[in-house]
Amino acid sequence: AQTVTQSQPEMSVQEAETVTLSCTYDTSESDYYLFWYKQPPSRQMILVIRQEAYKQQNATENRFSVNFQKAAKSFSLKISDSQLGDAAMYFCAYRSAWQGGSEKLVFGKGMKLTVNP
Amino acid sequence: DSGVTQTPKHLITATGQRVTLRCSPRSGDLSVYWYQQSLDQGLQFLIQYYNGEERAKGNILERFSAQQFPDLHSELNLSSLELGDSALYFCASSGRLAGEQYFGPGTRLTVT
Repeated sequence: AQTVTQSQPEMSVQEAETVTLSCTYDTSESDYYLFWYKQPPSRQMILVIRQEAYKQQNATENRFSVNFQKAAKSFSLKISDSQLGDAAMYFCAYRSAWQGGSEKLVFGKGMKLTVNP
Repeated sequence: DSGVTQTPKHLITATGQRVTLRCSPRSGDLSVYWYQQSLDQGLQFLIQYYNGEERAKGNILERFSAQQFPDLHSELNLSSLELGDSALYFCASSGRLAGEQYFGPGTRLTVT
């Protein structure tokens, strides 16, 4: 079974600075997707960024980028120019790409990010 | 706004009761997923439906059941409720071949 580990339960960053959230996962599959979701105090789950395992290029979305290391099974999220609105729980998630299997997301336990003004 | 809607937003009920949570997926999405978020278990996959048929089951209790209707909306039925069923229940939907799942705002269930 696949597992996702977020070892840091909490982090803080100063506004306008850069922070990196770490995530590791375990799988025997070669093709899969990885995601970062953000959950602000409203509790809404918001998709931040997606990475396909077959792509060597790291995904970027505006101030958000990932460092995907397939061999190390590592998937970190970098937030540049941190803003107060980035304060939230961040969840790393895994999804198999196998079409015949479950498309469920497997989540890590999450990490609480605080942004200090 | 993800385009996924869930009702009700909040639900307070007593132990032993039965409730129904409703989800409408994004327009055009055929897959619906249900997840439970609790303090002790984190975010857990419950069940997936694709175009009206059950596609995958996760850690769903026998007291829980779900279905997806011809108009693609889905309902999650929780019966014989226990205090431990108190949680945030999310519905998510995705397109046929896409990897992204878009989440609704959730239903907060409190069992007293």
